[in-house]
Amino acid sequence: DSGVTQTPKHLITATGQRVTLRCSPRSGDLSVYWYQQSLDQGLQFLIQYYNGEERAKGNILERFSAQQFPDLHSELNLSSLELGDSALYFCASSYNRLAGDDNEQFFGPGTRLTVL
Amino acid sequence: AQSVAQPEDQVNVAEGNPLTVKCTYSVSGNPYLFWYVQYPNRGLQFLLKYITGDNLVKGSYGFEAEFNKSQTSFHLKKPSALVSDSALYFCAVRDEDNAGNMLTFGGGTRLMVKP
Repeated sequence: DSGVTQTPKHLITATGQRVTLRCSPRSGDLSVYWYQQSLDQGLQFLIQYYNGEERAKGNILERFSAQQFPDLHSELNLSSLELGDSALYFCASSYNRLAGDDNEQFFGPGTRLTVL
Repeated sequence: AQSVAQPEDQVNVAEGNPLTVKCTYSVSGNPYLFWYVQYPNRGLQFLLKYITGDNLVKGSYGFEAEFNKSQTSFHLKKPSALVSDSALYFCAVRDEDNAGNMLTFGGGTRLMVKP
């Protein structure tokens, strides 16, 4: 158990809908990362938050957004869902005192999103 | 820009034999390199990392990895494979100069250890 929790485990929804994925980082970790894992794109970085502020952005669609709250948990919002958004969404956390810190990331179990 | 390549989609090895899972990387600065393992229906588990120092890094479950700067490689190794090592392995890289900490992952290599 990595100490990172994600809810829900599974989510089934229809095209055009909006969903929210939730992540609680390990105790003490200030950084939260979101990744998408799909068969055709592999494991891709979406976005990083550090202590409530956006730090880095990857291949995140405009229909997707995220935030990190004062208690450091994070939510990933996916809207206007398309069939191609079906994937496993992982949250990871790490303790980074400084930008560019070398600490490893610890991954949650993921949320499997199925868009029908 | 940072990138990682895992040239083998699958590696097959007999139990008790040594295993190697290959990884090559590209970064503009110095690399931070990581190996993760993913079991079915589970998240990624951290195995080991190379930041600086000794080119041979030891990690969890008897795994080790060898950093080779001239070949830009970071191959994962284990002297004696177990059936329970069968899983999906990911190599990841981050450029030291990257202000964020996001990882770029390879496509993954499925390791199959046969009894």
